[in-house]
Amino acid sequence: AQTVTQSQPEMSVQEAETVTLSCTYDTSESDYYLFWYKQPPSRQMILVIRQEAYKQQNATENRFSVNFQKAAKSFSLKISDSQLGDAAMYFCAYPTSGTYKYIFGTGTRLKVLA
Amino acid sequence: NAGVTQTPKFQVLKTGQSMTLQCAQDMNHNSMYWYRQDPGMGLRLIYYSASEGTTDKGEVPNGYNVSRLNKREFSLRLESAAPSQTSVYFCASSEALSRGYEQYFGPGTRLTVT
Repeated sequence: AQTVTQSQPEMSVQEAETVTLSCTYDTSESDYYLFWYKQPPSRQMILVIRQEAYKQQNATENRFSVNFQKAAKSFSLKISDSQLGDAAMYFCAYPTSGTYKYIFGTGTRLKVLA
Repeated sequence: NAGVTQTPKFQVLKTGQSMTLQCAQDMNHNSMYWYRQDPGMGLRLIYYSASEGTTDKGEVPNGYNVSRLNKREFSLRLESAAPSQTSVYFCASSEALSRGYEQYFGPGTRLTVT
């Protein structure tokens, strides 16, 4: 069965510093997508970044980038130049094949310290 | 363009009462989803609708029913609420039932069952 694991319930980072959030997953598929979603205190889930497994290049979106290691089944999110507005829960998500249901990790709460 | 809207935002029910959570999207998306979010458990899929006229069970469907009223609207009904259904409920939509498509989320409904 496919699983998604986020082993860091909470992380802290100083403003302007860099932080990396971890996500590991288990699948027997070779072609798939992975997502990071952000949930700020407003509760609205927002897409941060998307990675296609068949692409060797790591996805980047402005200050957000991923370190995708397919063989290790690892999909970490790096936030550079952290800002106060980055404080939120971050969820890693894996859409399953066939039914296309999303499996979400349990989330990492990121605190940004001024 | 409102995206995905949900009503109500908050609701308190007594055990055994029924209610319907409403969801609508204005992005002409084909697929819609209902999730529940509980502390430490991420988001779990309750039901989804691949397209107008179809619905399927997700991971935790017991105690819920859904209706895909038309392409825009997807409602979730609790026939006899139980304290175990206390949760935050999110509706989401995507262009199609495909792993590559982003899901767009509503703001959530916080439901408390006493």
